Amino acid sequence: GENVEQHPSTLSVQEGDSAVIKCTYSDSASNYFPWYKQELGKRPQLIIDIRSNVGEKKDQRIAVTLNKTAKHFSLHITETQPEDSAVYFCAASVDFNKFYFGSGTKLNVKP
Amino acid sequence: ETGVTQSPTHLIKTRGQQVTLRCSSQSGHNTVSWYQQALGQGPQFIFQYYREEENGRGNFPPRFSGLQFPNYSSELNVNALELDDSALYLCASSSELAGASYEQYFGPGTRLTVT
Repeated sequence: GENVEQHPSTLSVQEGDSAVIKCTYSDSASNYFPWYKQELGKRPQLIIDIRSNVGEKKDQRIAVTLNKTAKHFSLHITETQPEDSAVYFCAASVDFNKFYFGSGTKLNVKP
Repeated sequence: ETGVTQSPTHLIKTRGQQVTLRCSSQSGHNTVSWYQQALGQGPQFIFQYYREEENGRGNFPPRFSGLQFPNYSSELNVNALELDDSALYLCASSSELAGASYEQYFGPGTRLTVT
C-alpha cells in the first residue's frame, strides 16, 4: 500500500519567516495530495490541495509544489503568523477513495 | 465549522467488548471515510463508503466493519476491542459528483478509550 513520509516532525520559525514541510509518497498511482491543518483538540481542516496534473498551486501565503518524478510534494507558508501554529498533515490518495496521511509536523511560530 | 457530526463524543470500553460509532455526513455528500488517529500521529485510513458500498479499505483487520445508510450517514463497528484501539476516530464526508471538489470535511471525532 501507499507509504507517506513527512519531515520535519517539528518546526520552529520566527514570525514573518517562511516554513517548508516536505512529504514523499511511494505509490506512483497517487494523484491527489491534500494538506491539512489541525489545531489542538480540533478536527483536521483542508488548507490546500493539488492534483497530479499540476506542478504548483498557490493560495495567498500558502503554496504547494509537486514533483511526480521524485514522488515528493511540499507545503510552503510565507510570512508566518502566530496563528499558523498547529500540526500540519500531508496526505496522498489514488482516485480519492483511499487517503494516506503523513505523521504530521508541529509548526511553532514565535512572535 | 462543518456539518459533519459524530456521536458519541467520548466512550470508555473494556477489552473484548464491541463498540459502534456514528457519523452524520454533510448535506449533499455521498461518501464517508473513517480514520483512526492515535495520539501524536496522523490519521490512519480505515475504509470508505460510497453509496452504501465499501469503496476502499486500509490495513485494518476484519473486526473493523462499517455501514452506510441511504441518507449517507455511517457507522463504524469494532469487535473484540483491544487496548491499542484506544484513539480518536474521525469520519470525513465528501462528494463524488463529477466536477465537484473532493475536499473531505472532518467531523469532531469520537475519543475511544479501551481499558
